Amino acid sequence: QQQVKQSPQSLIVQKGGISIINCAYENTAFDYFPWYQQFPGKGPALLIAIRPDVSEKKEGRFTISFNKSAKQFSLHIMDSQPGDSATYFCAPRPEGGGNKLTFGTGTQLKVEL
Amino acid sequence: NAGVTQTPKFRVLKTGQSMTLLCAQDMNHEYMYWYRQDPGMGLRLIHYSVGEGTTAKGEVPDGYNVSRLKKQNFLLGLESAAPSQTSVYFCASSYLRGRMNTGELFFGEGSRLTVL
Repeated sequence: QQQVKQSPQSLIVQKGGISIINCAYENTAFDYFPWYQQFPGKGPALLIAIRPDVSEKKEGRFTISFNKSAKQFSLHIMDSQPGDSATYFCAPRPEGGGNKLTFGTGTQLKVEL
Repeated sequence: NAGVTQTPKFRVLKTGQSMTLLCAQDMNHEYMYWYRQDPGMGLRLIHYSVGEGTTAKGEVPDGYNVSRLKKQNFLLGLESAAPSQTSVYFCASSYLRGRMNTGELFFGEGSRLTVL
């Protein structure tokens, strides 16, 4: 049973636009919410992460927003660039430092000129 | 600093053959993971290890075995390969902070396996 639901599956954004990717969860409690970025032919790499004691974290053009009551967290990419074209995954950690780390199904982002 | 290294990077097998994928990490991380990545399926956890000598099943463990005899190495074995195991395999590691798994994963570059 998928613990997190990631959407959309794919996304096309014009250069300079805002890209928004969402992860929603239901039955499991999580306490660490990272987003990973994967370029073709490479392994995923941590992009940005948030803990549930804050509702938003910004690093450059990348922002995570967290809505605890709605059980969802989102990645926003401002001023999207062609170099941001990649696949993005959420992979929240189970509460209490759980070890079984599972991923959302991924969002393939393409930023067009 | 190599991080997480996977070997081999590419392999072609015939149905029924066996093989082992090797993952090595030089960061002294406690936790290690094997994932497979298939189009439209994201990354699915096969097996993981919370320390030397211990392993546990993930989401899709059938057809695979693992061993963690040394802290820095995590081996993934296919005893009798099937075409359904054609995939890209990723190894990852994470570390302990205090008494908890940080949940921050460091990945290798992947091993592409084709089973004919």
